[in-house]
Amino acid sequence: DVKVTQSSRYLVKRTGEKVFLECVQDMDHENMFWYRQDPGLGLRLIYFSYDVKMKEKGDIPEGYSVSREKKERFSLILESASTNQTSMYLCASSLPQREGDNEQFFGPGTRLTVL
Amino acid sequence: AQSVTQPDIHITVSEGASLELRCNYSYGATPYLFWYVQSPGQGLQLLLKYFSGDTLVQGIKGFEAEFKRSQSSFNLRKPSVHWSDAAEYFCAAGHPDNNNDMRFGAGTRLTVKP
Repeated sequence: DVKVTQSSRYLVKRTGEKVFLECVQDMDHENMFWYRQDPGLGLRLIYFSYDVKMKEKGDIPEGYSVSREKKERFSLILESASTNQTSMYLCASSLPQREGDNEQFFGPGTRLTVL
Repeated sequence: AQSVTQPDIHITVSEGASLELRCNYSYGATPYLFWYVQSPGQGLQLLLKYFSGDTLVQGIKGFEAEFKRSQSSFNLRKPSVHWSDAAEYFCAAGHPDNNNDMRFGAGTRLTVKP
């Protein structure tokens, strides 16, 4: 069974703080993703990574950065948190195109509140 | 632009009644199609997926979905809903040549009445 874990289920931060959200997967997947989920908007892709140290912007990368120093770990960084970044953040992983079928495996999510 | 539409934001059904959740996609090529379920406070769990072949796909928890190319639809069905099915359901479509390109619908929240 693929397991994707996220470091925190709930997080409360103040405006201007630097925030780190961590995600770890144990299935040796090459692809990893960060989404944010907001009511009525579904999931929107922030960043994804297809290999260590490789990253690509998704649909809404502004205000975020990512880090992938090891294959199993993908971090989302909010350099200076703002209230409009209050959201549910979901991490996912998948096999590469040549081996897989796009199925993404999700972590439990981190609900971030920025005050 | 590629997109997935779930026309129903919220659906309420009685326990034991049948269920159909609608999903339409707009893609250049026939995408891979998925249905995920999210219980409150949880991540997304895959219910079923379609790549090719038989257009009626069976999933977990008694769910099935039918791919209809002519209607660009992939509707999710269950013959008899259980109270534990109350959750949010997401349809997703992935580009067959680029598995980093996955589009999600906005979700349909299912309420089950006793």
